Amino acid sequence: SQTIHQWPATLVQPVGSPLSLECTVEGTSNPNLYWYRQAAGRGLQLLFYSVGIGQISSEVPQNLSASRPQDRQFILSSKKLLLSDSGFYLCAGTSRLAKNIQYFGAGTRLSVL
Amino acid sequence: AQSVTQLGSHVSVSEGALVLLRCNYSSSVPPYLFWYVQYPNQGLQLLLKYTSAATLVKGINGFEAEFKKSETSFHLTKPSAHMSDAAEYFCAVRAFSGGSNYKLTFGKGTLLTVNP
Repeated sequence: SQTIHQWPATLVQPVGSPLSLECTVEGTSNPNLYWYRQAAGRGLQLLFYSVGIGQISSEVPQNLSASRPQDRQFILSSKKLLLSDSGFYLCAGTSRLAKNIQYFGAGTRLSVL
Repeated sequence: AQSVTQLGSHVSVSEGALVLLRCNYSSSVPPYLFWYVQYPNQGLQLLLKYTSAATLVKGINGFEAEFKKSETSFHLTKPSAHMSDAAEYFCAVRAFSGGSNYKLTFGKGTLLTVNP
């Protein structure tokens, strides 16, 4: 079975600093990969998704960007963090044979101060 | 376009009582539906899924859900609540977005509290 690894688990960053969150997938190849942000009481908001290396689709305009340098690696970045970037970030991935079903990592709690 | 409505942002039950979490969906194509559970400060764990086979779907931890097309519903139930069931539950519907990509549209979640 596949496993989604995310790190760090928690992160406190000052406003204006850069960000890099990493997600890696174990146990499958050619997954679809997703970055979500979760705010209390508002469910999950899809930020980016990728169906292959170098292929990134953005769902909402924002201060963040994503990259997929390797098949099983997905990175969420920002050049300058804003207060509004605080939240819980979740990475999800599918298996090669079951693109319908998303499995989630443990998440990163980002606090921008 | 797909959408999901979870009725009740917070449900409270007594230990041993029936758990019923409601989910209604809207989909322009035959839906795939999912329930996920999230414990505090953790990721989402797949509870169960409906993928156009049996309408009564059994999942982990004693949960089940029934797909009712006429009611556009996919409610989650468990006959007897346990303290360890306290968590937030999310209903989601699959949206096909071309190629091999499927996006999920999530409801806003229902927080389940279990009282001793």
